[in-house]
Amino acid sequence: DAKTTQPTSMDCAEGRAANLPCNHSTISGNEYVYWYRQIHSQGPQYIIHGLKNNETNEMASLIITEDRKSSTLILPHATLRDTAVYYCIVRVANTDKLIFGTGTRLQVFP
Amino acid sequence: NAGVTQTPKFRILKIGQSMTLQCTQDMNHNYMYWYRQDPGMGLKLIYYSVGAGITDKGEVPNGYNVSRSTTEDFPLRLELAAPSQTSVYFCASSYDRGYTEAFFGQGTRLTVV
Repeated sequence: DAKTTQPTSMDCAEGRAANLPCNHSTISGNEYVYWYRQIHSQGPQYIIHGLKNNETNEMASLIITEDRKSSTLILPHATLRDTAVYYCIVRVANTDKLIFGTGTRLQVFP
Repeated sequence: NAGVTQTPKFRILKIGQSMTLQCTQDMNHNYMYWYRQDPGMGLKLIYYSVGAGITDKGEVPNGYNVSRSTTEDFPLRLELAAPSQTSVYFCASSYDRGYTEAFFGQGTRLTVV
């Protein structure tokens, strides 16, 4: 699976958009980009995933660059409850493993 | 649906003791995973299973064993506990390989002293 690079930490003001970047320059054509988050010490929670098109759901938007070498997770109106570690994962569609990196610690402040 | 249920939530083991961490899911998912998370670190995959009777190693399998006799259950066995196995253990499940989300349990906090 392709390796991902994320900033160690980020801050965001409550009510503003949080934009979390992820580099995956070695991604191959059949690898999906997944985002999960882990709030405090709870089990990780799925957010969104995509292949090449931008995706949006009730939690977030995922913007994937045209060359697919990077992506951005957007939380449109961050709240204090969005404070968490956010993991960007790339995964080949026909493999069985789900491998996590070290993630970005997002702190939302009032 | 209860989702993914892990027991126990907390456990203290002495060095050399054995224990089994239980994981069960009621979503009829084929894929199940065990992860460990050391303090301040990311998740590391220990073992995973793609269906009853089929298991495979992840990133850090040494010191652990698994079995998958039913679709619902995926227990993780520690045979000779060591301080290095002090960690939070998470079980997860998903319906298939990569097109759907994985659901995680709330974790088992294990301390080996």
